[in-house]
Amino acid sequence: AQSVTQLGSHVSVSEGALVLLRCNYSSSVPPYLFWYVQYPNQGLQLLLKYTTGATLVKGINGFEAEFKKSETSFHLTKPSAHMSDAAEYFCAVSEESNYQLIWGAGTKLIIKP
Amino acid sequence: NAGVTQTPKFQVLKTGQSMTLQCAQDMNHEYMSWYRQDPGMGLRLIHYSVGAGITDQGEVPNGYNVSRSTTEDFPLRLLSAAPSQTSVYFCASRKYRANISGNTIYFGEGSWLTVV
Repeated sequence: AQSVTQLGSHVSVSEGALVLLRCNYSSSVPPYLFWYVQYPNQGLQLLLKYTTGATLVKGINGFEAEFKKSETSFHLTKPSAHMSDAAEYFCAVSEESNYQLIWGAGTKLIIKP
Repeated sequence: NAGVTQTPKFQVLKTGQSMTLQCAQDMNHEYMSWYRQDPGMGLRLIHYSVGAGITDQGEVPNGYNVSRSTTEDFPLRLLSAAPSQTSVYFCASRKYRANISGNTIYFGEGSWLTVV
């Protein structure tokens, strides 16, 4: 069965520092991988996704993620954090054989001034 | 451009009461779903539908009913509310016939439900 693990329920970084949010998955076949962001009291919106092709994926708001098959990881990064990045981030995985997303538990990103 | 609209945004229920969370989308999406979000547990699928007249259970269906009489609407009914159903509920939709790599899931803004 597929599963998604996000390391750290809360991550705190200083404004201007590197953001690194970790996501590992288990899947028996090449997966589709997603990062979603949820701002306070709002729904989720797609940040970026990996389906096929280039393993480094660029998303909105300066975020990017790299699919590493050997590590079964899809970590999310941003070179320089901004106060507006404070939100909860969810990693999700899906196989082509079905259309359901399996979600990680989420990581709340806190930006310190 | 409304997207996915959920109502109500906030609701307090007493144990044993019933209620319906409404969800409507104006994007002609075949696939609609309901999730609940609880701290530390991510999103868990309650029910989903791949078209009008077709519904199926997700990971946590107990205590909830759905129906899909039209493409646009996918209401979620709590039959007899329990404190364990205190949660944030999200409705989501996407195109179904395109595979998941080619489409995006759109979420409503959430419904905060408290059962006392």
